[in-house]
Order: sequence, then structure tokens, then C-alpha cells
Amino acid sequence: SQQGEEDPQALSIQEGENATMNCSYKTSINNLQWYRQNSGRGLVHLILIRSNEREKHSGRLRVTLDTSKKSSSLLITASRAADTASYFCATDAGYSTLTFGKGTMLLVSP
Amino acid sequence: GAGVSQSPSNKVTEKGKDVELRCDPISGHTALYWYRQRLGQGLEFLIYFQGNSAPDKSGLPSDRFSAERTGESVSTLTIQRTQQEDSAVYLCAGDPPGGTTGELFFGEGSRLTVL
Repeated sequence: SQQGEEDPQALSIQEGENATMNCSYKTSINNLQWYRQNSGRGLVHLILIRSNEREKHSGRLRVTLDTSKKSSSLLITASRAADTASYFCATDAGYSTLTFGKGTMLLVSP
Repeated sequence: GAGVSQSPSNKVTEKGKDVELRCDPISGHTALYWYRQRLGQGLEFLIYFQGNSAPDKSGLPSDRFSAERTGESVSTLTIQRTQQEDSAVYLCAGDPPGGTTGELFFGEGSRLTVL
């Protein structure tokens, strides 16, 4: 089964609004990452948060991590049409590979 | 090259045929991963190469799947006797050297359609 599970599965908002996506996972992790995927092709790394961090910012992105609840959230502020994409969380549990969730599909309408 | 390069970009094949997918990683990336993504789904781990160590093949779904990598260079993923359920995008990614798993750099993927 997937280590990371994002919700919602799909999110539709207007330009300028904020978008919040959540990720839950099952086992202890070293770090959690968020990736973006346009049109079902390559993924692009957005941000990495380590297990000893609670919040991290990068431009319009804000990521939180609650290890007690085994959950993370990704907030995109002041969204733009160009933010339309699928967003995936990925967990590093100390094994040889990252484990990805099924993703949240974000649609930002002009 | 500047990024991870995968070929072919798209491949349509008939059920039962063999296919070979290629990944050219970023120079210096010792770790290389293959993932599979079915339509509307997340990424499924297939195989991981790290330098000259034995690869982690734990994600390969059947013995029809195999992958090779020579040193820190090109990797090929081979699917023998393709089935319709093999239809997916196959993604290759590299991990910069440095020990712990960090940011992965992905190629654009190879979209495989098995008719």
C-alpha cells in the first residue's frame, strides 16, 4: 500500500485563492518531500522537510510536518493558473527509495 | 547532459512483444531509480541502482521486467512479452551523491502503450 496518501484527490480553486493539500503516512520517516507533475510526465521537486522540522517556506509554498500525527500539508498561496498540476508527497523512511502517494490534482481557474 | 533524458518518449507496441526503455542520468548522479506510473495513479517503485552495489529489485512486478546499468551511466529497463497491464509511464530519476535520500531529478518519462 502507499506510504503517503494525499487528500483531497482533486481540488479546484480560483486564481488568487490559497490551495491546501494534505499527506498522511504510516511509518517513521527521515524526511518528506513534495513534488509537482505537469501533464503526467516528469516530476519536479518542490520542497523537502526533515523529520526534526515543523515548518518550511519556499516562495509561495509553505509546508508543515506533524510527526506525531504522521501528516504534512502543502499550502500554495495566491495561486495562479500556472500552478495547475498534480502534487505528490514522498516519504523517505531510510530505505533505498522514496515512497510516493497517489497525488492531488489541482486545477486553478483564471 | 543537463537533465535526465529518457527514450523513447512514447512507445506503442503489441501484446507479447519485448520493449526496451532507456535512461541517461545526470553526470555524477550515482543513484538511479525506475518508477512506474499508471494512469491517474501514484508512482510505483521498480528498481534502484547505487554505484557498484547490487541493485534493489524489490519493486519489479514480475520476471518479465529487468533492468541493467553499467557503472554510473545509462540504464535500460526491459519488459519482455508485454501485457496490456504494462501500459504506463515509466519514469527514471537520479539522486545527487551525498548519502541520504534527498531531492530526486526526474526524466520526462517513457509512455508505453500495449495494444
